[in-house]
Amino acid sequence: SQTIHQWPATLVQPVGSPLSLECTVEGTSNPNLYWYRQAAGRGLQLLFYSIGIDQISSEVPQNLSASRPQDRQFILSSKKLLLSDSGFYLCAWSVLLAAGATDTQYFGPGTRLTVL
Amino acid sequence: RKEVEQDPGPFNVPEGATVAFNCTYSNSASQSFFWYRQDCRKEPKLLMSVYSSGNEDGRFTAQLNRASQYISLLIRDSKLSDSATYLCVVTPMDSSYKLIFGSGTRLLVRP
Repeated sequence: SQTIHQWPATLVQPVGSPLSLECTVEGTSNPNLYWYRQAAGRGLQLLFYSIGIDQISSEVPQNLSASRPQDRQFILSSKKLLLSDSGFYLCAWSVLLAAGATDTQYFGPGTRLTVL
Repeated sequence: RKEVEQDPGPFNVPEGATVAFNCTYSNSASQSFFWYRQDCRKEPKLLMSVYSSGNEDGRFTAQLNRASQYISLLIRDSKLSDSATYLCVVTPMDSSYKLIFGSGTRLLVRP
């Protein structure tokens, strides 16, 4: 069966510090991978998605970046955190079905980031 | 206009009640539809996919109305454990890789 891991679970960082969040998926090959952010009391905002190694699409301009160095590894980074980067960061995976149909996305446990 | 709109609630119902949520979507070309459930401070989890003919999973029934561009979720015999936020999810027209999430409807089931 497939599992998705994220770490760390919680993180408190000062403004201006760097960030690296990691997500790995087990039990599937060539998954689509996603990074979302959920601000307190708000909906999910898609940040990045990737359909393959080194293929990253950015959804919103911001000071975050994403990388996919391996098939089942997805990393979210920032060189300098802002207060507005606080939130709940969720990684998700899915498999693209035949004929372009979208499969369900499955989420990791998330990382709760507080920038002070 | 938001691509996916939901009443944020909260819906406050007693145990055993039947409750229904609606969700409207703006893109008539959307193809895939889902309901997710999110518990407080947890990740969203798939509750059920929504099929054109409607589908049922135990106490949960999902319906799709393409003509009016809305999706519904009916929960019968509500349990305390049903308390959560329910997210309506659709695919956008410009990409089959992505899902668009509504902001969610919060349900509180009281004893």
